[in-house]
Amino acid sequence: AQKVTQAQTEISVVEKEDVTLDCVYETRDTTYYLFWYKQPPSGELVFLIRRNSFDEQNEISGRYSWNFQKSTSSFNFTITASQVVDSAVYFCALSPDQAGTALIFGKGTTLSVSS
Amino acid sequence: DTAVSQTPKYLVTQMGNDKSIKCEQNLGHDTMYWYKQDSKKFLKIMFSYNNKELIINETVPNRFSPKSPDKAHLNLHINSLELGDSAVYFCASSQTSTTYTQYFGPGTRLTVL
Repeated sequence: AQKVTQAQTEISVVEKEDVTLDCVYETRDTTYYLFWYKQPPSGELVFLIRRNSFDEQNEISGRYSWNFQKSTSSFNFTITASQVVDSAVYFCALSPDQAGTALIFGKGTTLSVSS
Repeated sequence: DTAVSQTPKYLVTQMGNDKSIKCEQNLGHDTMYWYKQDSKKFLKIMFSYNNKELIINETVPNRFSPKSPDKAHLNLHINSLELGDSAVYFCASSQTSTTYTQYFGPGTRLTVL
């Protein structure tokens, strides 16, 4: 069975702190895709990143960075120098390598950044 | 230039009514989806269509019926609405020949009274 676990339900930090959101996944597929989405208080789902299972390079985009480790089945997301605008629910998701297939979402981590 | 749009954004209705939610994408994608987000924010797939063909039909009540008139549209019709249908419904689309990234619409918040 395929599954995504985000063990941190809620995280609260103060502005400028670094914060890491954990994501652990389960799959028997050799080829798959991992995603992070952001859901701000306004409610929309915003795509942040996609990672292929065969590409374990870490990625940095501004204050955001992602650490993908197949050995531990983890795809963690770090926000450096957090800002109030980072307050949102963050979802990690898994997709098999198959057309039209669904995203399997974790339950999300609510991040609250206070000033 | 909205990529994936849904109408209406809010829908408040009485139990027993029939309602529809419309979704359109202008990204040229070949696959569209409906997801349901419950009150605890959990997101779950309901349906997916690839080139107007039904691919995924998860265990949802048959009161829910998707319709895809063309590749750019996927509508969701709900008959005999129940209190438990209250949720946020998201439409999404992707292009399977290049990427599996799904882009989501703004969501429709359905409240059944």
